[in-house]
Amino acid sequence: RKEVEQDPGPFNVPEGATVAFNCTYSNSASQSFFWYRQDCRKEPKLLMSVYSSGNEDGRFTAQLNRASQYISLLIRDSKLSDSATYLCVVNTWMDSSYKLIFGSGTRLLVRP
Amino acid sequence: DTGVSQDPRHKITKRGQNVTFRCDPISEHNRLYWYRQTLGQGPEFLTYFQNEAQLEKSRLLSDRFSAERPKGSFSTLEIQRTEQGDSAMYLCASTSTGTGSGYTFGSGTRLTVV
Repeated sequence: RKEVEQDPGPFNVPEGATVAFNCTYSNSASQSFFWYRQDCRKEPKLLMSVYSSGNEDGRFTAQLNRASQYISLLIRDSKLSDSATYLCVVNTWMDSSYKLIFGSGTRLLVRP
Repeated sequence: DTGVSQDPRHKITKRGQNVTFRCDPISEHNRLYWYRQTLGQGPEFLTYFQNEAQLEKSRLLSDRFSAERPKGSFSTLEIQRTEQGDSAMYLCASTSTGTGSGYTFGSGTRLTVV
């Protein structure tokens, strides 16, 4: 079983749509949680951290449920520029240190 | 530019050749990580350094792979006797904390083994 699992998509949505991505993680001792965005053939970039209380950054809302080991990202009013792969990332203890463990990513295509 | 720099951006090599990649982290960051990413997958952890000490190597990393960070500044990743399965994007990231926030990734080195 993978440490971090995501639906690979692609999610193909029209501009203005609301889209939600889900992610589960297997290590209950994971310390911190993030969504990264990766454009085609580019490096991952931090989109936002995820907190248990839920947090919002403009059109983006992230939520963490520690009991269910579940993370979500909601994008409202999708823009063409939101087209990218969204990586669910967990800072977790593996082997002998904390490190970022990435999901395989969910691809989003926003069409005109 | 004060970001993480990686060199080269692209490398095409013949099977069996050795290759070396370089990463220059953000200068005040003491932690440096190497990840590998193949098509359709997220980045996978390879190894990390705190200052000049290599503190962990993934089990994914065969004996053909070696990494160094000689003075706690830049790092190199060498692959000996490359195989086609080594074809991937090799990403370097640096941070000053262990909390997971504040990782900055370089643009990566895309390796193609033919």
